[in-house]
Amino acid sequence: GAVVSQHPSWVICKSGTSVKIECRSLDFQATTMFWYRQFPKQSLMLMATSNEGSKATYEQGVEKDKFLINHASLTLSTLTVTSAHPEDSSFYICSASAGVRGPSNQPQHFGDGTRLSIL
Amino acid sequence: QKEVEQNSGPLSVPEGAIASLNCTYSDRGSQSFFWYRQYSGKSPELIMSIYSNGDKEDGRFTAQLNKASQYVSLLIRDSQPSDSATYLCAVNGGRGGGFKTIFGAGTRLFVKA
Repeated sequence: GAVVSQHPSWVICKSGTSVKIECRSLDFQATTMFWYRQFPKQSLMLMATSNEGSKATYEQGVEKDKFLINHASLTLSTLTVTSAHPEDSSFYICSASAGVRGPSNQPQHFGDGTRLSIL
Repeated sequence: QKEVEQNSGPLSVPEGAIASLNCTYSDRGSQSFFWYRQYSGKSPELIMSIYSNGDKEDGRFTAQLNKASQYVSLLIRDSQPSDSATYLCAVNGGRGGGFKTIFGAGTRLFVKA
């Protein structure tokens, strides 16, 4: 159980393109979804937390107008990297948690990640 | 002080040995603790959850929690080369931390055949 599907797994596109990444919880309702970025040999960096039906909470230093997050249902969140540039190239990973908002004992379950390369 | 601290390693152990991975956390109100394994180029996968003081065993893995010392560890018995990965400690923070999950930077483990 607790399967999270992330799509696409790999994107190569030109500078200036917008890229949408989807994250779906397949067998549970994800109250909260998280978006991370990870550069090679570095640790996970939380970008934003999204709760279904409300605006995402972005971490300090993450531009909300550049990284648009939509959590329209309890099983789907999307991250759109707008006007992507080479410095946005990274490994983007989503995770989902079935816990209620606030105190939660639920772990995060991760998607397989999206490797984004901007030329 | 980092909220969740792990030794970055690398920790190198011979095949068949016990690998011991350690993690300390700063938020005394934390209630839930997790270990994730991340292979190079892949996303993290959950391997253990622990919520109460003491030991929790699952196959070759044992998680140990000591809330008084704010310390959680992961033991891997009979280590295999396939266990070579980065192990992330994650802590669900208490009220003081906004109930966020905080990840450590990870410990790289190498198991030598």
